[in-house]
Amino acid sequence: EVQLVESGGGLVQPGGSLRLSCTASGFTFSSYWMNWIRQAPGKGLEWVANINPDGSEQNYVDSVKGRFTVSRDNAKNSLFLQMNSLRAEDTAIYYCARSLIVVVPTGVTNFWGQGSLVSVSS
Amino acid sequence: AIQMTQSPSSLSAFVGDRVTITCRASQDIRSDLGWYQQKPGKAPKLLIYSASNLQSGVPSRFGGSGSGTHFTLTISSLQPEDFATYYCLQDYNYPYTFGQGTKLESK
Repeated sequence: EVQLVESGGGLVQPGGSLRLSCTASGFTFSSYWMNWIRQAPGKGLEWVANINPDGSEQNYVDSVKGRFTVSRDNAKNSLFLQMNSLRAEDTAIYYCARSLIVVVPTGVTNFWGQGSLVSVSS
Repeated sequence: AIQMTQSPSSLSAFVGDRVTITCRASQDIRSDLGWYQQKPGKAPKLLIYSASNLQSGVPSRFGGSGSGTHFTLTISSLQPEDFATYYCLQDYNYPYTFGQGTKLESK
């Protein structure tokens, strides 16, 4: 059974940093593009970033470029999102999600974690 | 960034109704579009990929069509469990972008 479990969320002050983790099981983690997608309270979905299977390519939405870094450790079946210089508008539930098709870079995702809440407030 | 515009933003319908949700892209995205269903407090669930392909395990009453800039999600006969919010997503190019969502409510 495919499982994705996020951790690391919490309350942080503006300008602070937080690192989210996503631990994967039930599939060959090193074969899939992985994505971070967020949802502000009561709002819609926003794709944030993705990373290719070997970790050599990352892509980001403009609003987080230069502040967020996505990485992975295939030996530990883990995905990470390092978030620096956090702003109030980064407050959201952050989901990790697996791309639908092995190896291919697609934003269409068929497995999601339960989400991790990040709150940025003073 | 490619803008995805869904219509309507909200919709009221009866069980048994045929429902159609539209998603328009600000530029040609071929068939690089997915549809998701989200219920309150839950992660989204993939329904359709590549504009018209039904994801495994999704009931056949869900259908997708379109290419280029105009796409539709159709529910042929609405069931009680279908009341939820629906999102389209383009993955033609970066950044991937979602529509603003369509909330489907019971009339």
